[in-house]
Amino acid sequence: EDKVVQSPLSLVVHEGDTVTLNCSYEVTNFRSLLWYKQEKKAPTFLFMLTSSGIEKKSGRLSSILDKKELFSILNITATQTGDSAIYLCAVKGSQGNLIFGKGTKLSVKP
Amino acid sequence: DSGVTQTPKHLITATGQRVTLRCSPRSGDLSVYWYQQSLDQGLQFLIQYYNGEERAKGNILERFSAQQFPDLHSELNLSSLELGDSALYFCASSVGRGDGYTFGSGTRLTVV
Repeated sequence: EDKVVQSPLSLVVHEGDTVTLNCSYEVTNFRSLLWYKQEKKAPTFLFMLTSSGIEKKSGRLSSILDKKELFSILNITATQTGDSAIYLCAVKGSQGNLIFGKGTKLSVKP
Repeated sequence: DSGVTQTPKHLITATGQRVTLRCSPRSGDLSVYWYQQSLDQGLQFLIQYYNGEERAKGNILERFSAQQFPDLHSELNLSSLELGDSALYFCASSVGRGDGYTFGSGTRLTVV
């Protein structure tokens, strides 16, 4: 059965800290891995990774995929209170639907 | 505004009832996906439609059904509702099968 496992499930840090969120997966016919940020309602897209070892970067956020070891990490540097959210990792299989992990709830304290 | 419109935003109904959730995809998107999000289960894939045809099915109960109409909007029908069906129901759309999703803001269903 396809599955995506995220760790930790929750994390509390202080502003300015750097955090690393983890995502491991077991999916047949892997196509891509996506990261989303969910605040109050709809998940919003952050990154899509398809190739191993290539870092995607957007401001203070970056992500990398390791297709050999079947995992991805999402790094957030110099965290701000506005980074508080649930971060979701999802993997796209051959049917095109996304399989989500349960998410990491990040709380950034001032 | 993501461009994916879901109605209603909130719905409260009694056990045993039937409800219909509606989704209008982003302009130009042909695929519609339905997801259920509950506190303990995370986002669970229910069903996907592409240009009017069912393409993939996930953990969708037999009491639930969906369809996509010629104008590409989609409806998710939930019947014989149980307390455990209370959740956020998201619709997402994409251009095809190989693209990232855009999510709607969800419908929060409360079954009492």
